[in-house]
Amino acid sequence: QVQLVESGGGVIQPGRSLRLSCAASGFSFSDYAMHWVRQAPGKGLEWVAVLSYDGGTKYHADSVKGRFTISRDNSRATLFLQMNGLTPEDTALYFCARDVAANHLDYWGQGTLVTVSS
Amino acid sequence: DIQMTQSPSSLSASVGDRVTITCRASQGIRNDLSWYQQKLGKAPKRLIYAASSLQSGVPSRFSGSGSGTEFTLTISSLQPEDFATYYCLQQNLYPLTFGQGTRLEI
Repeated sequence: QVQLVESGGGVIQPGRSLRLSCAASGFSFSDYAMHWVRQAPGKGLEWVAVLSYDGGTKYHADSVKGRFTISRDNSRATLFLQMNGLTPEDTALYFCARDVAANHLDYWGQGTLVTVSS
Repeated sequence: DIQMTQSPSSLSASVGDRVTITCRASQGIRNDLSWYQQKLGKAPKRLIYAASSLQSGVPSRFSGSGSGTEFTLTISSLQPEDFATYYCLQQNLYPLTFGQGTRLEI
């Protein structure tokens, strides 16, 4: 069965960096584009970034552009989100999600919580 | 960016009720819309894709309709497990954008 397990979250000071990981299993990871979506405490869902199956094409939301970078290692079936210059507004539960085709997000992980606070 | 306006933001209903949630897109998105259900602290679960296609394993009381700029999610007869928050997602253009959510409560 498809499984996505995020890790790497925690409490971090403003301005610092953090790298999130999403370990995939149960499907051929290298065949699928992947997304990050976040949810601030008590708020709605916000799309963050997408990366094509081969890592060749990526898009980031304006709110994170220039600070966050999505990447992947297909040999390890793992998706990453490198987050630099974190601010309190980045505090959220970060989900990874599989793109079954044309931005259709079918399976989601359970999320990893990032708290940016001094 | 495409704005998704979802209504209502909250809805009180009872078991057995029929409820409808609406999403309006700021520009035409064909049928590039999905509906998700989220329970507290859990990952979103896809219910509907391509505006009207039912995700495998989702009960048939859930249905979606619409195309272009106006979309609806209907639950024909509410069950206790349906009380949750619902979101629409447009997948037509980047950035992907979600509606603000509809909290469905008793």
